[in-house]
Amino acid sequence: SYVLTQPPSVSVAPGKTARITCGGNNIGSKSVHWYQQKPGQAPVLVIYYDSDRPSGIPERFSGSNSGNTATLTISRVEAGDEADYYCQVWDSSSDHNYVFGTGTKVTVL
Amino acid sequence: EVQLVQSGAEVKKPGESLKISCKGSGYSFTSYWIGWVRQMPGKGLEWMGIIYPGDSDTRYSPSFQGQVTISADKSISTAYLQWSSLKASDTAMYYCARGLALGENWFDPWGQGTLVTVSS
Repeated sequence: SYVLTQPPSVSVAPGKTARITCGGNNIGSKSVHWYQQKPGQAPVLVIYYDSDRPSGIPERFSGSNSGNTATLTISRVEAGDEADYYCQVWDSSSDHNYVFGTGTKVTVL
Repeated sequence: EVQLVQSGAEVKKPGESLKISCKGSGYSFTSYWIGWVRQMPGKGLEWMGIIYPGDSDTRYSPSFQGQVTISADKSISTAYLQWSSLKASDTAMYYCARGLALGENWFDPWGQGTLVTVSS
């Protein structure tokens, strides 16, 4: 089955840039979506189709995808960005179909 | 406003059955897929399965095939996730989420989640 690997944690100072990676075999050939989950809340879509932002999501959130790594970038990090972040793809080659990454906890110092 | 509202928290004993619900509003319920996602305590997101309420086409993750049943009643815009015999390991938060299409697409929005606790 297809595996998506994320770093368990990323720490960043306010105002700086956080980069969260999502590794998978030839992930660049797939569409990657990203979700933010704050403590005690349901996940919220922040990036779809690698780099598109849903309405209401700040421009500070951006995404890229190439080769074996997709990246979610959060610019000018704010305290309110502290959350878990998950990447997600659809794997047509297996019955598992929808695959989520292992998740990354972003801590704002 | 597109919204998914899930049924409330449940406390059950091992071996009991359970059916939780997810009601959609603010959009054409029969034109989108509804997926179910499990989140065990302190863990990540796991895709369980997905249903198209328009014709009840249903797909399951192999990890959950035979363990749960996904269904929908389009007349009341509601999808369901059910167990016939719960185990302690089913203790988790369960989310429903709307999917645009089967395939390379995302889930948005998500329901608020239903916490299921299974304990003797």
